Amino acid sequence: GENVEQHPSTLSVQEGDSAVIKCTYSDSASNYFPWYKQELGKRPQLIIDIRSNVGEKKDQRIAVTLNKTAKHFSLHITETQPEDSAVYFCAACDSNSGYALNFGKGTSLLVTP
Amino acid sequence: DAGVTQSPTHLIKTRGQQVTLRCSPKSGHDTVSWYQQALGQGPQFIFQYYEEEERQRGNFPDRFSGHQFPNYSSELNVNALLLGDSALYLCASSYHTGELFFGEGSRLTVL
Repeated sequence: GENVEQHPSTLSVQEGDSAVIKCTYSDSASNYFPWYKQELGKRPQLIIDIRSNVGEKKDQRIAVTLNKTAKHFSLHITETQPEDSAVYFCAACDSNSGYALNFGKGTSLLVTP
Repeated sequence: DAGVTQSPTHLIKTRGQQVTLRCSPKSGHDTVSWYQQALGQGPQFIFQYYEEEERQRGNFPDRFSGHQFPNYSSELNVNALLLGDSALYLCASSYHTGELFFGEGSRLTVL
Protein backbone atom coordinates (compact mmCIF):
# COMPACT_ATOMS: atom_id res chain seq x y z
CA GLY A 1 0.00 0.00 0.00
CA GLU A 2 0.88 3.67 -0.09
CA ASN A 3 3.35 5.02 2.45
CA VAL A 4 3.65 8.78 2.95
CA GLU A 5 6.62 10.20 4.85
CA GLN A 6 6.57 13.82 6.03
CA HIS A 7 9.39 16.05 7.29
CA PRO A 8 10.09 17.88 9.47
CA SER A 9 7.85 16.87 12.36
CA THR A 10 8.22 20.33 13.92
CA LEU A 11 9.13 23.65 12.35
CA SER A 12 9.58 27.01 14.00
CA VAL A 13 9.94 30.19 11.93
CA GLN A 14 9.77 33.90 12.56
CA GLU A 15 6.88 35.91 11.23
CA GLY A 16 7.54 36.93 7.64
CA ASP A 17 9.89 34.04 6.91
CA SER A 18 9.07 31.15 4.57
CA ALA A 19 8.24 27.62 5.66
CA VAL A 20 8.74 24.46 3.62
CA ILE A 21 7.33 21.02 4.43
CA LYS A 22 8.32 17.99 2.38
CA CYS A 23 6.62 14.67 1.73
CA THR A 24 7.52 11.52 -0.15
CA TYR A 25 5.21 8.76 -1.34
CA SER A 26 5.81 5.20 -2.43
CA ASP A 27 2.96 4.22 -4.76
CA SER A 28 3.53 5.38 -8.33
CA ALA A 29 -0.24 5.05 -8.94
CA SER A 30 -0.93 7.99 -6.59
CA ASN A 31 -2.15 10.98 -8.54
CA TYR A 32 -3.83 13.28 -6.03
CA PHE A 33 -1.89 15.15 -3.32
CA PRO A 34 -3.79 17.41 -0.90
CA TRP A 35 -2.49 19.38 2.06
CA TYR A 36 -4.55 19.87 5.19
CA LYS A 37 -4.20 22.33 8.04
CA GLN A 38 -5.43 21.29 11.47
CA GLU A 39 -5.60 23.77 14.32
CA LEU A 40 -5.69 22.46 17.88
CA GLY A 41 -8.98 20.72 18.60
CA LYS A 42 -10.31 21.48 15.13
CA ARG A 43 -11.04 19.49 11.99
CA PRO A 44 -8.51 19.16 9.17
CA GLN A 45 -9.15 21.74 6.45
CA LEU A 46 -7.95 21.51 2.87
CA ILE A 47 -5.61 24.38 2.02
CA ILE A 48 -4.32 23.33 -1.39
CA ASP A 49 -4.11 20.25 -3.58
CA ILE A 50 -2.31 19.17 -6.71
CA ARG A 51 -2.87 16.45 -9.26
CA SER A 52 -0.20 14.49 -11.06
CA ASN A 53 -0.69 16.27 -14.37
CA VAL A 54 0.56 19.52 -12.82
CA GLY A 55 4.02 20.31 -11.45
CA GLU A 56 3.20 23.37 -9.37
CA LYS A 57 0.17 25.19 -8.03
CA LYS A 58 -0.06 28.46 -6.15
CA ASP A 59 -2.75 30.16 -4.11
CA GLN A 60 -1.70 33.51 -2.65
CA ARG A 61 0.99 32.77 -0.02
CA ILE A 62 0.74 28.99 -0.41
CA ALA A 63 2.29 26.88 -3.16
CA VAL A 64 2.75 23.17 -3.73
CA THR A 65 5.27 21.47 -6.01
CA LEU A 66 5.22 17.88 -7.24
CA ASN A 67 8.08 15.80 -8.60
CA LYS A 68 6.55 12.57 -9.93
CA THR A 69 9.89 11.06 -10.88
CA ALA A 70 11.29 11.42 -7.40
CA LYS A 71 7.89 10.79 -5.79
CA HIS A 72 7.99 13.83 -3.59
CA PHE A 73 5.90 16.94 -3.10
CA SER A 74 6.34 20.03 -0.98
CA LEU A 75 4.30 22.79 0.63
CA HIS A 76 5.70 26.31 0.61
CA ILE A 77 4.26 29.07 2.76
CA THR A 78 5.66 32.56 2.20
CA GLU A 79 5.39 35.63 4.45
CA THR A 80 4.27 33.48 7.36
CA GLN A 81 1.90 34.92 9.93
CA PRO A 82 1.15 33.79 13.53
CA GLU A 83 -2.23 32.47 12.35
CA ASP A 84 -0.38 30.01 10.12
CA SER A 85 0.62 28.15 13.29
CA ALA A 86 -1.01 24.71 13.14
CA VAL A 87 -0.31 21.10 12.23
CA TYR A 88 -0.03 20.50 8.50
CA PHE A 89 -0.64 17.10 6.91
CA CYS A 90 0.23 15.94 3.44
CA ALA A 91 -1.66 13.08 1.85
CA ALA A 92 -1.64 10.99 -1.31
CA CYS A 93 -4.02 8.64 -3.07
CA ASP A 94 -4.94 7.05 -6.37
CA SER A 95 -8.13 8.83 -7.36
CA ASN A 96 -8.98 6.04 -9.81
CA SER A 97 -9.48 3.72 -6.84
CA GLY A 98 -11.51 6.21 -4.85
CA TYR A 99 -10.17 9.02 -2.69
CA ALA A 100 -8.83 6.95 0.22
CA LEU A 101 -6.20 9.36 1.47
CA ASN A 102 -2.95 8.17 3.01
CA PHE A 103 -1.71 10.86 5.38
CA GLY A 104 1.73 11.76 6.60
CA LYS A 105 2.33 12.09 10.34
CA GLY A 106 2.10 15.86 10.29
CA THR A 107 4.30 18.90 10.78
CA SER A 108 3.69 21.20 13.72
CA LEU A 109 4.42 24.73 12.46
CA LEU A 110 4.99 27.53 14.94
CA VAL A 111 5.24 31.10 13.67
CA THR A 112 6.62 33.46 16.29
CA PRO A 113 5.97 37.23 16.09
CA ASP B 1 -24.96 24.80 4.71
CA ALA B 2 -24.22 22.90 7.92
CA GLY B 3 -21.15 21.14 6.55
CA VAL B 4 -20.26 17.70 7.87
CA THR B 5 -21.79 17.02 11.27
CA GLN B 6 -20.80 14.26 13.65
CA SER B 7 -22.23 12.95 16.88
CA PRO B 8 -21.48 12.50 19.65
CA THR B 9 -18.57 14.92 20.06
CA HIS B 10 -17.12 13.10 23.05
CA LEU B 11 -17.78 9.73 24.63
CA ILE B 12 -16.22 7.40 27.16
CA LYS B 13 -16.52 3.63 26.99
CA THR B 14 -14.93 0.69 28.75
CA ARG B 15 -13.01 -2.18 27.21
CA GLY B 16 -15.21 -4.75 25.53
CA GLN B 17 -18.11 -2.37 24.93
CA GLN B 18 -19.48 -1.36 21.57
CA VAL B 19 -19.83 2.14 20.14
CA THR B 20 -21.74 3.75 17.27
CA LEU B 21 -20.68 7.06 15.78
CA ARG B 22 -22.82 9.04 13.37
CA CYS B 23 -22.11 11.37 10.47
CA SER B 24 -24.21 13.58 8.22
CA PRO B 25 -22.40 14.64 5.05
CA LYS B 26 -22.22 18.10 3.58
CA SER B 27 -25.24 18.93 1.45
CA GLY B 28 -24.84 17.54 -2.07
CA HIS B 29 -22.18 15.00 -1.11
CA ASP B 30 -22.78 11.31 -1.70
CA THR B 31 -19.58 9.69 -0.43
CA VAL B 32 -18.61 9.28 3.21
CA SER B 33 -15.20 8.22 4.51
CA TRP B 34 -14.13 7.47 8.07
CA TYR B 35 -10.69 8.11 9.53
CA GLN B 36 -9.10 7.35 12.88
CA GLN B 37 -6.70 9.95 14.24
CA ALA B 38 -4.62 8.92 17.25
CA LEU B 39 -3.08 11.68 19.34
CA GLY B 40 -0.16 13.28 17.53
CA GLN B 41 -0.67 11.24 14.36
CA GLY B 42 -2.15 11.76 10.95
CA PRO B 43 -5.62 10.42 10.15
CA GLN B 44 -5.75 6.76 9.08
CA PHE B 45 -8.30 5.62 6.53
CA ILE B 46 -10.85 3.14 7.90
CA PHE B 47 -13.35 2.77 5.05
CA GLN B 48 -15.43 4.63 2.49
CA TYR B 49 -19.11 4.32 1.63
CA TYR B 50 -20.78 5.16 -1.64
CA GLU B 51 -24.30 4.21 -2.76
CA GLU B 52 -24.81 2.44 0.58
CA GLU B 53 -21.91 0.06 -0.02
CA GLU B 54 -18.40 -0.16 1.36
CA ARG B 55 -16.25 0.84 -1.59
CA GLN B 56 -12.81 0.77 -0.02
CA ARG B 57 -11.36 -0.39 3.26
CA GLY B 58 -8.14 0.39 5.05
CA ASN B 59 -6.12 -1.88 7.31
CA PHE B 60 -8.61 -2.15 10.16
CA PRO B 61 -10.01 -5.33 11.74
CA ASP B 62 -13.56 -6.58 11.26
CA ARG B 63 -14.47 -5.08 14.64
CA PHE B 64 -14.84 -1.87 12.66
CA SER B 65 -17.96 -1.84 10.54
CA GLY B 66 -20.13 0.78 8.96
CA HIS B 67 -23.26 1.61 7.16
CA GLN B 68 -24.55 4.27 4.79
CA PHE B 69 -28.21 5.17 4.64
CA PRO B 70 -30.28 6.28 1.60
CA ASN B 71 -29.94 9.92 2.72
CA TYR B 72 -26.11 9.47 2.53
CA SER B 73 -25.60 9.71 6.29
CA SER B 74 -23.36 7.08 7.80
CA GLU B 75 -22.54 5.19 10.97
CA LEU B 76 -19.29 3.73 12.23
CA ASN B 77 -19.56 0.81 14.64
CA VAL B 78 -16.70 -0.55 16.71
CA ASN B 79 -17.19 -3.78 18.66
CA ALA B 80 -15.16 -5.25 21.52
CA LEU B 81 -13.42 -1.96 22.24
CA LEU B 82 -9.72 -1.98 23.08
CA LEU B 83 -7.71 0.69 24.87
CA GLY B 84 -5.94 1.31 21.57
CA ASP B 85 -9.21 2.35 19.94
CA SER B 86 -9.06 5.62 21.88
CA ALA B 87 -8.78 8.30 19.21
CA LEU B 88 -10.52 11.06 17.32
CA TYR B 89 -12.81 9.57 14.68
CA LEU B 90 -13.24 11.83 11.71
CA CYS B 91 -15.92 11.61 9.09
CA ALA B 92 -15.32 13.20 5.70
CA SER B 93 -17.71 13.67 2.81
CA SER B 94 -17.05 14.29 -0.85
CA TYR B 95 -18.60 14.34 -4.29
CA HIS B 96 -16.63 13.08 -7.28
CA THR B 97 -13.83 15.69 -7.28
CA GLY B 98 -12.24 14.10 -4.28
CA GLU B 99 -11.98 17.18 -2.08
CA LEU B 100 -12.78 15.87 1.37
CA PHE B 101 -14.66 17.99 3.87
CA PHE B 102 -14.07 16.81 7.41
CA GLY B 103 -16.36 17.00 10.39
CA GLU B 104 -15.14 18.09 13.81
CA GLY B 105 -14.84 14.47 14.88
CA SER B 106 -15.96 12.24 17.71
CA ARG B 107 -13.39 11.81 20.45
CA LEU B 108 -13.59 8.30 21.89
CA THR B 109 -11.90 7.39 25.15
CA VAL B 110 -11.73 3.72 26.11
CA LEU B 111 -11.00 2.98 29.77
